[in-house]
Amino acid sequence: GQSLEQPSEVTAVEGAIVQINCTYQTSGFYGLSWYQQHDGGAPTFLSYNALDGLEETGRFSSFLSRSDSYGYLLLQELQMKDSASYFCAVRDPLGFKTIFGAGTRLFVKA
Amino acid sequence: DSGVTQTPKHLITATGQRVTLRCSPRSGDLSVYWYQQSLDQGLQFLIQYYNGEERAKGNILERFSAQQFPDLHSELNLSSLELGDSALYFCASSQRGQETQYFGPGTRLLVL
Repeated sequence: GQSLEQPSEVTAVEGAIVQINCTYQTSGFYGLSWYQQHDGGAPTFLSYNALDGLEETGRFSSFLSRSDSYGYLLLQELQMKDSASYFCAVRDPLGFKTIFGAGTRLFVKA
Repeated sequence: DSGVTQTPKHLITATGQRVTLRCSPRSGDLSVYWYQQSLDQGLQFLIQYYNGEERAKGNILERFSAQQFPDLHSELNLSSLELGDSALYFCASSQRGQETQYFGPGTRLLVL
């Protein structure tokens, strides 16, 4: 089966850089996606890596290494509004199911 | 605003009852996904439809069913409700060949 592991919580200071890791066990996949969810809100798409390497979108970057079954989301110049839960996700290429990690709750402190 | 709409926003009902949740995808999106998110939990994939046909099935209970209509809106039917079914139910949509999923605001279901 497919599974993704993320740290449950991360705390960082405003203005700092934080990295949220995601390791996965899959029999194959299309790529790794990242979503942000604020309390009481809907998940919103942040980034997608189909190939190995780094994808940059403003303050957020995402990295994928298929050989290491590992990816991460990098948030730079942290702001208080970045306090949220972050989920990595994959789609099973065989059954097409979408599988989300349990999520990492990021706390940004002043 | 993702462009995905869900109704109702809130639903309170009793155990044993049946409810229907409705989702309208973004214009042009053929895929619709349904997820369940219990308190402080991750997103559990329930089912996906593509252009009216079931495409993928997750850990969806037999008491739950869904369908996608010719106008591409989708409905999730939950029956014989139990206390444990209380959760946020999200619908998402995506374009053909795209991995990005756009989520609706969700329906918060409370079963008493």
